[in-house]
Amino acid sequence: EQQVQQSPASLVLQEAENAELQCSFSIFTNQVQWFYQRPGGRLVSLLYNPSGTKQSGRLTSTTVIKERRSSLHISSSQITDSGTYLCAMEGTSNTNKVVFGTGTRLQVLP
Amino acid sequence: DPKIIQKPKYLVAVTGSEKILICEQYLGHNAMYWYRQSAKKPLEFMFSYSYQKLMDNQTASSRFQPQSSKKNHLDLQITALKPDDSATYFCASSQEGLGGETLYFGSGTRLTVL
Repeated sequence: EQQVQQSPASLVLQEAENAELQCSFSIFTNQVQWFYQRPGGRLVSLLYNPSGTKQSGRLTSTTVIKERRSSLHISSSQITDSGTYLCAMEGTSNTNKVVFGTGTRLQVLP
Repeated sequence: DPKIIQKPKYLVAVTGSEKILICEQYLGHNAMYWYRQSAKKPLEFMFSYSYQKLMDNQTASSRFQPQSSKKNHLDLQITALKPDDSATYFCASSQEGLGGETLYFGSGTRLTVL
């Protein structure tokens, strides 16, 4: 079964601190996405990062395919960054099934 | 201005009944999906449709039946409801249903089965 593991499960930060979220995959994949979800809310795609490093504002994702892992760095965290961050991969080729991790719940305190 | 509309937002049903979850997308996408999220499991893929054709079905039970009356609609019919079906059901879409596409999600329908 294709699986995605995320760590840490939860993280508490003071505002302006940086966060590092990790994701590992049970299979080799070059289709990695990071999503953000507010409690009870819809998911929003943050970054699509098949390999290497990609940046969007205060978010930086690094995916290392041969090590089957990806990370998401959040710099200068803000209270509004609080929520759950989900990592997702696509499985084998010729499928558009996306497998999600269990998420990292981030809480940023003032 | 949400581009993927799910109705209703909340739904309460009794065991054994049947419900239909509605999803419409206005992104001009050709692929649509259903995902389920419960307290016990991570977000789970259920179905994918591309150009109104079923592409992938990872739902073990035939009680879950997607219905696509139009290209931008993908409803989910659930029959003989069970308490274990309680979850938030998310509809999503992407441009073509090919690999490497960004997924866009609706706000979900939270289903509670009593």
